[in-house]
Amino acid sequence: QKEVEQDPGPLSVPEGAIVSLNCTYSNSAFQYFMWYRQYSRKGPELLMYTYSSGNKEDGRFTAQVDKSSKYISLFIRDSQPSDSATYLCAMSGGTGGFKTIFGAGTRLFVKA
Amino acid sequence: DTAVSQTPKYLVTQMGNDKSIKCEQNLGHDTMYWYKQDSKKFLKIMFSYNNKELIINETVPNRFSPKSPDKAHLNLHINSLELGDSAVYFCASSQRGSAGNTIYFGEGSWLTVV
Repeated sequence: QKEVEQDPGPLSVPEGAIVSLNCTYSNSAFQYFMWYRQYSRKGPELLMYTYSSGNKEDGRFTAQVDKSSKYISLFIRDSQPSDSATYLCAMSGGTGGFKTIFGAGTRLFVKA
Repeated sequence: DTAVSQTPKYLVTQMGNDKSIKCEQNLGHDTMYWYKQDSKKFLKIMFSYNNKELIINETVPNRFSPKSPDKAHLNLHINSLELGDSAVYFCASSQRGSAGNTIYFGEGSWLTVV
């Protein structure tokens, strides 16, 4: 079993839809949870990070962490064609120390 | 100013050659990394240096040798290139102990071995 599981997609939605991206993980010691966005031919860029359980909102983006279920989500409201990218979850901390583990990434297409 | 910059961006070379990728960060971070991203977009860590000291060395063929002359630079040298080395290589940096060790990536180096 991989430490971090993420559905690679692709996920195709119409413009304006609410997008839900998810990851599950097996290491209960993880404490920091990140979402990265990667456009084609570019490096991953940090979108959001949260510490422990709870929600964090930044504009159209909301990150949720449920440590009891070992499940994290990223919601994108009013999705735009410019949101089309690969979204990677990542986590670190606890017994893994500073080592960051990435999910495989979910490819998202937002159709105009 | 580019925070993490790596060169070259594209590299096409023949099997058996030796090549290097250079990386520099101007974020003042103390930790640098090399990641490999395969065709399925999976990011896998190869090496990490903290203040010029090797702290992560994953199962990577010893044809790959990182070198960190100072904490702002981390280069990757690859000997005797093989077809399977074709991938995108990302340099990255972070500040240990801050914000969950949030990692900042360069733009990537696309390596094609023919």
